[in-house]
Parts: sequence; C-alpha cells; structure tokens
Amino acid sequence: GENVEQHPSTLSVQEGDSAVIKCTYSDSASNYFPWYKQELGKRPQLIIDIRSNVGEKKDQRIAVTLNKTAKHFSLHITETQPEDSAVYFCAAGLSGGYQKVTFGTGTKLQVIP
Amino acid sequence: GAVVSQHPSWVICKSGTSVKIECRSLDFQATTMFWYRQFPKQSLMLMATSNEGSKATYEQGVEKDKFLINHASLTLSTLTVTSAHPEDSSFYICSARGGIGTDTQYFGPGTRLTVL
Repeated sequence: GENVEQHPSTLSVQEGDSAVIKCTYSDSASNYFPWYKQELGKRPQLIIDIRSNVGEKKDQRIAVTLNKTAKHFSLHITETQPEDSAVYFCAAGLSGGYQKVTFGTGTKLQVIP
Repeated sequence: GAVVSQHPSWVICKSGTSVKIECRSLDFQATTMFWYRQFPKQSLMLMATSNEGSKATYEQGVEKDKFLINHASLTLSTLTVTSAHPEDSSFYICSARGGIGTDTQYFGPGTRLTVL
C-alpha cells in the first residue's frame, strides 16, 4: 500500500516569511495529492490539491509542486500570517471512484508575529 | 455547502459497553465515507472505507468485529465500537467524499471517546 512521509514535523517561521513542507510517497500509481489544514480543535479542511497531470498549482499565497519522477510533493506558503498556524497534512492516493488517500504524519506550523 | 456532521461530539462510557457514532453529510450525497482515528499530535489513521450499500473495507490491523461500520444511506454512516475498552479511547473522525467527480474529503468535527 501507499506510504507517505512528511517533513518537518514542526516548523516555526516569522510572520511574513515563507514555509515549505515536503512529502514523499511510495506508490507510483498515486495520482492525487491533497493538502489539509487542521487548526487546533477543528476539523481538517482541504486547502489545495494537485493531480499528476500538472507539476505545480497555485492559489493566492499557497502553492503545491509535484515531482512524479522523484515521488515527492511540497506545499509552499508565502507571506505567512499568524492565522496560518495549524497542523498541515499531505496525502497521496488515487483519484475517483471509491479510492482512498493515505495521510502523512503532519507538520505543526507556528507563525511567530 | 459540503457540511459533514458527527454525533456525538464526545462520549464517556464504561468498559464493555458499545458506543455508536453517526456521520452525516448534510447537504450532499456521499457515496463514500471514511472513518479515521486520530491520536494526540498524530496523523489521521484510516480505519475503514465505507461505501453506501456495501460492506466496509477495513485497513490492515483494524478489527471489523470490534468496529462495526454501516453505510445505510447516501447521507449516513455509523461506526459502532463494540465492547469498548480503555485502549479504544481516542478521537474518531469521519469524512465524506462529495459525490461523483470530486475527490475532496469533507471532514466531520470528530468524536472524543473516553472509555473508563
């Protein structure tokens, strides 16, 4: 089955700086890579996702890159703000149907004002 | 849109009793729902995938007779923890995939189970 590794486990950045979270996956068949944000005491919410037919996707201050050859993908947050503080989970799996995704171990991001 | 509710939000029970947790998609039909277990400061561990009208698919190491999953309709899935023990104490969270053509999982708020 799929195995997803995520680094770092914790990340502290100054407000305004960029944050990068990296994930690797093991199953070359995976074609769907979502990122979820979980604020303290709240449910995970999708913030961005990417499919294997593209190498990069951007949505305002967040972007995700995918390298299928190396089987790794990354989340980039620019101009970080205190409200970006949360736990971020990457995931990898198959798109469509009844497919599941496998989650990474999470990165706790702290943005210091 | 795409709201998932979960009930109860927390429950305390005695060892040996059974507990049922409901997961509902409020404004969309979910052909697939997922049940996760989340330990403090840890990731979401998938327990099982629940498809409407069929038996759930359990992940390796998850006892299907202990964690009974029923996906009776396109908007409701239930997880029953049977003969609960203190080691079953955890945060259980469900998610629902929002219909055909979308891969996004919408998560419920979770249920904190404490077994005394």
